[in-house]
Amino acid sequence: QVQLQESGPGLVKPSETLSLTCTVSGDSFRPYYWSWIRQTAGKGLEWIGRIYTSGSVNYNPSLNSRVTMSLDTSKNQVSLKLTSVTAADTALYYCARGAQLIDFWGQGALVTVSS
Amino acid sequence: DIVMTQTPVSLSVTPGQPASMSCKSSQSLRHSDGKTYLYWYLQKPGQSPQLLIFEASSRFSGVPDRFRGSGSGTDFTLKISRVETEDIGVYYCMQSIEVPLTFGGGTKVEIK
Repeated sequence: QVQLQESGPGLVKPSETLSLTCTVSGDSFRPYYWSWIRQTAGKGLEWIGRIYTSGSVNYNPSLNSRVTMSLDTSKNQVSLKLTSVTAADTALYYCARGAQLIDFWGQGALVTVSS
Repeated sequence: DIVMTQTPVSLSVTPGQPASMSCKSSQSLRHSDGKTYLYWYLQKPGQSPQLLIFEASSRFSGVPDRFRGSGSGTDFTLKISRVETEDIGVYYCMQSIEVPLTFGGGTKVEIK
């Protein structure tokens, strides 16, 4: 069964860039879509975007100008960058497999935006 | 964006009794390919969401048959025939017929 593990700094300063990595193991990395989803108490679950193993991406228009997703296929990793963060970006960030059918999720990485 | 509305917000159920929850979408989730892009997830306390139902009515691998998804178009239902204590958590519906994918606010199931 596929396993996904998010990693990255748990604390990011306002206006800086949030960077997270998702490492995939236990199953093929290709040919799948990999999604990022975040969860807050206030807004619930919010889809951030997805990337295919070809590199093709779709982002949530509400975050589009600040989000970049990329792949490192040699390491079976997916990365998320979110620029110009504010306190509203404080959330539990999940990596998950799939585009429309999202079947497996990582355990999540808590990121707090604070000075 | 497609708005997903779940009711009730919370549900208190006696073990062994049935439970039912609703999810309504602001647009039809039936695609021209014949599929309905509605999914149900359960987020148990302290865990990430786990897929229960895909395409409105198909149980995901390993999901007990006491879970049943139904509905079409914009109205969907998840039923648990006999609730067990391990079923507690928050149930979410999600649509993926169009970007951005969106989720309902959840139905929290508690045991009486």
